[in-house]
Amino acid sequence: AQTVTQSQPEMSVQEAETVTLSCTYDTSESDYYLFWYKQPPSRQMILVIRQEAYKQQNATENRFSVNFQKAAKSFSLKISDSQLGDAAMYFCALDVSGGGADGLTFGKGTHLIIQP
Amino acid sequence: DTGVSQDPRHKITKRGQNVTFRCDPISEHNRLYWYRQTLGQGPEFLTYFQNEAQLEKSRLLSDRFSAERPKGSFSTLEIQRTEQGDSAMYLCASSLGRARVDEKLFFGSGTQLSVL
Repeated sequence: AQTVTQSQPEMSVQEAETVTLSCTYDTSESDYYLFWYKQPPSRQMILVIRQEAYKQQNATENRFSVNFQKAAKSFSLKISDSQLGDAAMYFCALDVSGGGADGLTFGKGTHLIIQP
Repeated sequence: DTGVSQDPRHKITKRGQNVTFRCDPISEHNRLYWYRQTLGQGPEFLTYFQNEAQLEKSRLLSDRFSAERPKGSFSTLEIQRTEQGDSAMYLCASSLGRARVDEKLFFGSGTQLSVL
């Protein structure tokens, strides 16, 4: 079975500053994918960034980047130049089966607050 | 691309009643997923379809739950004899379901179920 742990229930950051959200996971599989999803008050889960476990290079998407440490099973999300629109719940997720059996395994989420 | 749509957005029902939710995936997406999200938790996988075939069901999906995807287009999730523990948000997601390297889930805004 897979597990995903997000140890920060809530984080707060000043607008324009940088914040890092933590995620650790556990799986016995060697081939898997990791994701960060954002869930604003509208409730729709939006894909922020995706990392393939076989790639050593950390994924980046504009202001969003990850620090993927495979040996430590750690997958943190860094948000640079935080904006008010970044305020949301952020979920870390693990996919070991290509989206099939068991689907994605999500953490409990981190509530990100952006202080103006 | 109009995104994944779910109907209704909210549903209030009395314990013991049956309810049905609908999900319309992004057109040409072969895979369709149902997740359940309770307050303070991340989404939990319930089941998924590859076209019209239901390929996997979580142990969370009791006998009171049934999902269909006739003709591989929209899907319905029915809960019979609802219980208060069924109160949650039910999320639908879809994906192309082709090469795993390209697999990305697109979520709808969910149906919030309240069982009184």
